Amino acid sequence: KAGVTQTPRYLIKTRGQQVTLSCSPISGHRSVSWYQQTPGQGLQFLFEYFSETQRNKGNFPGRFSGRQFSNSRSEMNVSTLELGDSALYLCASRRQGAVTEAFFGQGTRLTVV
Amino acid sequence: DQQVKQNSPSLSVQEGRISILNCDYTNSMFDYFLWYKKYPAEGPTFLISISSIKDKNEDGRFTVFLNKSAKHLSLHIVPSQPGDSAVYFCAASANAGGTSYGKLTFGQGTILTVHP
Repeated sequence: KAGVTQTPRYLIKTRGQQVTLSCSPISGHRSVSWYQQTPGQGLQFLFEYFSETQRNKGNFPGRFSGRQFSNSRSEMNVSTLELGDSALYLCASRRQGAVTEAFFGQGTRLTVV
Repeated sequence: DQQVKQNSPSLSVQEGRISILNCDYTNSMFDYFLWYKKYPAEGPTFLISISSIKDKNEDGRFTVFLNKSAKHLSLHIVPSQPGDSAVYFCAASANAGGTSYGKLTFGQGTILTVHP
């Protein structure tokens, strides 16, 4: 069974640009969550999507957005990039159910210069 | 407001001995807890989880203990192996407001080094 796939693995963008990251969940998983990892703030929750609807949102500015498609694949977008957006962005998928663990992809390393 | 805390930034143990990683939480709504292992520039790998209806869960060399009254959980690794060297994160979630455990709140991580 294939794991969570994130593309691209690495990105370098210039301040002010926008970026789109992609995540393909494990087959059969309908919940996709996004996290940002930085040295200073650790792993922080961005948002979760389920059945193409945002179900939960973390404490990030509106420049961070996402969406989910009917095949459960998800994208997140960051507009007007700032230097502080440089981070490892992680996607996790879960089966829908009572309590289930989240499985993470390898992440996209975004560097803003 | 850090709701999940791992107060030990690092832990060093000898191969074959027990590793004990600790985690405290403040939000009483949390009722599902997980441990992840992470290498730099990679995604976290799920290790073991525990629901608040239990106080212990075992999986091979890994055991997680939950003390709800103290809002404390710990991960025991016995015996420790050099390949266990990584950053360990505890995470907590709750089925609050219909979010259905979709949001994980992570601790800051503990770097475990197992010496041969």
